[in-house]
Amino acid sequence: AQTVTQSQPEMSVQEAETVTLSCTYDTSESDYYLFWYKQPPSRQMILVIRQEAYKQQNATENRFSVNFQKAAKSFSLKISDSQLGDAAMYFCASGWTGNTPLVFGKGTRLSVIA
Amino acid sequence: GAGVSQSPSNKVTEKGKDVELRCDPISGHTALYWYRQSLGQGLEFLIYFQGNSAPDKSGLPSDRFSAERTGGSVSTLTIQRTQQEDSAVYLCASSFQGFGYTFGSGTRLTVV
Repeated sequence: AQTVTQSQPEMSVQEAETVTLSCTYDTSESDYYLFWYKQPPSRQMILVIRQEAYKQQNATENRFSVNFQKAAKSFSLKISDSQLGDAAMYFCASGWTGNTPLVFGKGTRLSVIA
Repeated sequence: GAGVSQSPSNKVTEKGKDVELRCDPISGHTALYWYRQSLGQGLEFLIYFQGNSAPDKSGLPSDRFSAERTGGSVSTLTIQRTQQEDSAVYLCASSFQGFGYTFGSGTRLTVV
């Protein structure tokens, strides 16, 4: 069974600063995907970034990047130049290839301080 | 449609009543998922539909919960004889291959 652990229930960051959200996972699969989702107060889950396990290069999407350490089973999210709109719950998730259900962590609530 | 649509957005029901929650996925997405998000918790997998295959019901918490997907498109999650512990946000998502989910905005269910 896959598990995903987010050890930081809450984090805060000053506007324009950088913050890193932690995530570790456990899987017996050799080929899998990892994701970070953002959930603002509107409840709408938004895909932030996606990483294929077979790719060694860390994924990047504008101000969002990941630090993927496959051997350590670690998948942290770095948000650069934090903005007020980044305030939300962030969920880390993992899944096998194809369409099998994703396993989610319990989330990290990020606050951005003006 | 352009996104995943869920209805109703909010539902208040009396304990013991049955409720139906609807999900309309993105056209062409072969997979559809239901998750439950309780207060302060992560997302709990409930059920998964993939094309014409038999659904994966391994996450359903009790036999009061059931779901169907008609014509490979719209899905309905039914909760019979609702209990207070069923109060949560029910999220639906659809996907195509391994590119991540597109979620709906969820249905907030409150059982009083």
